[in-house]
Amino acid sequence: NAGVMQNPRHLVRRRGQEARLRCSPMKGHSHVYWYRQLPEEGLKFMVYLQKENIIDESGMPKERFSAEFPKEGPSILRIQQVVRGDSAAYFCASSLGLAGGSTDTQYFGPGTRLTVL
Amino acid sequence: AQTVTQSQPEMSVQEAETVTLSCTYDTSESNYYLFWYKQPPSRQMILVIRQEAYKQQNATENRFSVNFQKAAKSFSLKISDSQLGDTAMYFCAFMKQNFGNEKLTFGTGTRLTIIP
Repeated sequence: NAGVMQNPRHLVRRRGQEARLRCSPMKGHSHVYWYRQLPEEGLKFMVYLQKENIIDESGMPKERFSAEFPKEGPSILRIQQVVRGDSAAYFCASSLGLAGGSTDTQYFGPGTRLTVL
Repeated sequence: AQTVTQSQPEMSVQEAETVTLSCTYDTSESNYYLFWYKQPPSRQMILVIRQEAYKQQNATENRFSVNFQKAAKSFSLKISDSQLGDTAMYFCAFMKQNFGNEKLTFGTGTRLTIIP
């Protein structure tokens, strides 16, 4: 069973360009989370999505950042007009989405390291 | 809002020794989960162990065990017979229990180095 896949693993963009980060959840997982890790810091929650729905985007910057998880295909985190401060590792995690308050462990992908020149 | 504190930025220990990483958290929730994740130099986030707050028994996974003190809001990780492959950043994380899923709140991490 393949784990969470993220691509690209490394992405270099110049200031003002767009960055698109992709995440394919584990097979059977319908819930996706995006986290950002700045250098020498812990992971910070950005957004939580289910298929075709954004459930919680309380950690997303209000401007330039967007996320989607379409019915078909991977989840996409999109950063428009990147700035140097966007340089970070972006991690995607997925979970089964069990209902009823059951524990639902999140499994992480390898991350995408974004560098903005 | 929940907060997670890891007060040890760095630790080192000789191979085969035992080491304990500390974690405290603050929450008003009564039902939640706690996790330890490991991030080796490869940067992959790997689940080490998890604990359900309603369980009094401490979780164990082979050489890894936790000391969960709910009243004190403390959740330490003990690594026994440490190995070189245990060298990594270790993050403590909190998740509120909910009907559906919840985000993880992470601490700032402890960099653990196992010395040969």
